[in-house]
Amino acid sequence: DQQVKQNSPSLSVQEGRISILNCDYTNSMFDYFLWYKKYPAEGPTFLISISSIKDKNEDGRFTVFLNKSAKHLSLHIVPSQPGDSAVYFCAAKEFGMGNQFYFGTGTSLTVIP
Amino acid sequence: DSGVTQTPKHLITATGQRVTLRCSPRSGDLSVYWYQQSLDQGLQFLIQYYNGEERAKGNILERFSAQQFPDLHSELNLSSLELGDSALYFCASRGSGDEQFFGPGTRLTVL
Repeated sequence: DQQVKQNSPSLSVQEGRISILNCDYTNSMFDYFLWYKKYPAEGPTFLISISSIKDKNEDGRFTVFLNKSAKHLSLHIVPSQPGDSAVYFCAAKEFGMGNQFYFGTGTSLTVIP
Repeated sequence: DSGVTQTPKHLITATGQRVTLRCSPRSGDLSVYWYQQSLDQGLQFLIQYYNGEERAKGNILERFSAQQFPDLHSELNLSSLELGDSALYFCASRGSGDEQFFGPGTRLTVL
């Protein structure tokens, strides 16, 4: 049972525009969310995270928004750059169950120059 | 470079065989996680070790086992391999925070 879902397998965006990657989850006990970026032939690398006590976290061009009532989070990249082309995974962790992380299936972002 | 190393990078073997994948975590990290990524699938959590002890178990098959040694490196053993075990296997280490640092992965092909 996939508790973290990324329903868009792929997304294409023009350079300079905004990229919005979406993630939905089913477990209301998830309290911490992370985004990872993965280039081909490499392992995922941490990008940004958000705790359930916040609804927004910003780091440079990357902003993560969390809507707990909708069990939805999104990653905004502004402005998008060709180097952002990668697969993006969202992940979640359950409060009190500190060790297991649940990952989505990933969204492949292509930023067109 | 995440500081996490995995060997080998690629492994090709036959059905029914047994293989061992190796992971060295970042210096100082006590936690090691193993994940499987099959084609078009997300990262499926397999198992986690903390300072030599198993801490969490995910969708790990009985044919698979893992351990973490006193020097904190970890090995994932896959036996009686089937075609469906072909996948990328990642390990990740974690320090005091919630962020995990992933190795480059081992690509396993079972023929």
